[in-house]
Amino acid sequence: SQTIHQWPATLVQPVGSPLSLECTVEGTSNPNLYWYRQAAGRGLQLLFYSVGIGQISSEVPQNLSASRPQDRQFILSSKKLLLSDSGFYLCAWSVSRGYSYEQYFGPGTRLTVT
Amino acid sequence: RKEVEQDPGPFNVPEGATVAFNCTYSNSASQSFFWYRQDCRKEPKLLMSVYSSGNEDGRFTAQLNRASQYISLLIRDSKLSDSATYLCVVSHGSGNTGKLIFGQGTTLQVKP
Repeated sequence: SQTIHQWPATLVQPVGSPLSLECTVEGTSNPNLYWYRQAAGRGLQLLFYSVGIGQISSEVPQNLSASRPQDRQFILSSKKLLLSDSGFYLCAWSVSRGYSYEQYFGPGTRLTVT
Repeated sequence: RKEVEQDPGPFNVPEGATVAFNCTYSNSASQSFFWYRQDCRKEPKLLMSVYSSGNEDGRFTAQLNRASQYISLLIRDSKLSDSATYLCVVSHGSGNTGKLIFGQGTTLQVKP
């Protein structure tokens, strides 16, 4: 069966510090991978998605970047965090079921920028 | 206008009640439809896909009306454990990206 891992679970970082969040998927190959952010009391915002190694699409201009160095690894980074980067960061993977893609989420990283 | 709109609630219902959530979507090209459940401070989890003919999974029934661009979720015999936020989700089926558009969610609180 497929599992998705994210770490760390919680993170407190000062403004201006770098960020690296990692996501790995097990039990599947060539998944689509996604990074979302959920601000407190808000909906899910898609940040990046990837359909293959080295292929990254950005949904919104921002202070973050993403990379996919391996098939089942997706990394979210920032060189200098802003206060507005605080939120709940979720990684997801999807599999095609015909024309429908169901997405499955990791446990998330709760980031507080101070 | 948001692409997927839901009444945020909260819906406060007693145990055993039947509750229905509605959702509308604006893009007529939407092809796939889902309901996700999100518990407080947790990740969203897929509750069920929504099929054109409607589908049922235990106490949960989902229906789709493509003409009205409307999706519903019915929960019968509500349990305390059903308390959560329910997210309406659609996909345009845009190539192989699998991108989903999430509603803001409807919060359900089931009281003893």
